[in-house]
Amino acid sequence: KQEVTQIPAALSVPEGENLVLNCSFTDSAIYNLQWFRQDPGKGLTSLLLIQSSQREQTSGRLNASLDKSSGRSTLYIAASQPGDSATYLCAGDNYGQNFVFGPGTRLSVLP
Amino acid sequence: GAVVSQHPSRVICKSGTSVKIECRSLDFQATTMFWYRQFPKQSLMLMATSNEGSKATYEQGVEKDKFLINHASLTLSTLTVTSAHPEDSSFYICSARGGSGDTQYFGPGTRLTVL
Repeated sequence: KQEVTQIPAALSVPEGENLVLNCSFTDSAIYNLQWFRQDPGKGLTSLLLIQSSQREQTSGRLNASLDKSSGRSTLYIAASQPGDSATYLCAGDNYGQNFVFGPGTRLSVLP
Repeated sequence: GAVVSQHPSRVICKSGTSVKIECRSLDFQATTMFWYRQFPKQSLMLMATSNEGSKATYEQGVEKDKFLINHASLTLSTLTVTSAHPEDSSFYICSARGGSGDTQYFGPGTRLTVL
């Protein structure tokens, strides 16, 4: 059964720093790996989706990579801004199955 | 991209009443929909898997008689919380599998508060 963990649980950085959020999963047969952002009291905003045979996705200041053999994904945020403050969730699915979510990393970017 | 909607976005009800939440795939057909629940300061946990035209599959610990799921068409699944109690207060999110890329698309969620 797929299990997803995220490190760190919380992170506080000054504005402008580059940062890396880590996600680990137990089943290398993972099919899709997705990173979400969730603001307090709000729903999920999909940030990046790495599908099946892909290894990396980029959108603006965000870059996500996936290494199935090591069971890891990283989300890189460049030049962080206070507006990036939120909880970041990673989730993976096995083909045809539900997404399994990690516990999230709570990010605070200080002005 | 594929869009999934949920209605209502927020509902407040009295203890003992039933609440229905709708999940719709707006521009694609979804043979499978998933229902997740998120308690405060926790991550999302799968409640049940809903396949069009068949009975839902519930995760361990989720009462199927309390959380009724109906997936009557390829674009609509409903979750009914029967005889809701304050401990059912949570954020309920659905996802629908289909569209291009064979992935899942998430709805915006429904916040249920039971008084």
